[in-house]
Amino acid sequence: AQKVTQAQTEISVVEKEDVTLDCVYETRDTTYYLFWYKQPPSGELVFLIRRNSFDEQNEISGRYSWNFQKSTSSFNFTITASQVVDSAVYFCALSGGNYGGSQGNLIFGKGTKLSVKP
Amino acid sequence: DAGVIQSPRHEVTEMGQEVTLRCKPISGHDYLFWYRQTMMRGLELLIYFNNNVPIDDSGMPEDRFSAKMPNASFSTLKIQPSEPRDSAVYFCASNRDGKYQPQHFGDGTRLSIL
Repeated sequence: AQKVTQAQTEISVVEKEDVTLDCVYETRDTTYYLFWYKQPPSGELVFLIRRNSFDEQNEISGRYSWNFQKSTSSFNFTITASQVVDSAVYFCALSGGNYGGSQGNLIFGKGTKLSVKP
Repeated sequence: DAGVIQSPRHEVTEMGQEVTLRCKPISGHDYLFWYRQTMMRGLELLIYFNNNVPIDDSGMPEDRFSAKMPNASFSTLKIQPSEPRDSAVYFCASNRDGKYQPQHFGDGTRLSIL
């Protein structure tokens, strides 16, 4: 079966601190995609990044960076120099594949609520 | 470009009433997804369509829930009769090509059943 685990339910940091959100996944597929979404207090879900299973290069986008390690089935997300506007719930998700999931849907983790205090 | 549009944004109704949620996907997207978000269960897929055809409805909780996609630009999720436990935020999302592309979400419908 496919599964995404975000063990950190809530994290609280002070502005300008670095913070890493953990994501561990399970799948039997050899080809799959991983995603991160942000849900700010206003409630919408915003796509942040997609990574395919064949590309283990780390990615950096401004203050955001992602570390994908197939050996540990992890896809962690780091925010550098956090800001109050980063306060949100962050979801890690895995694309459905041929085993234990539909071809199209996303399997979401439970999310990590990040609070950045001034 | 317009994103996924959902209506209404908020719905409050009494138990037993029929509820209809609406979604307009992004033009050109051939996959449409309905999700439900609750504190207890998180984000869960209810049903998805490909080219207007329902592909997987295994997440639909029970017969009280039904979804249709009469054309490429419109979908509905109906609950009849509604129950308090149906209270949740319902999201519609769309994308091209299914599982390999990011899904673009609407702003959601916050449903409260009294």
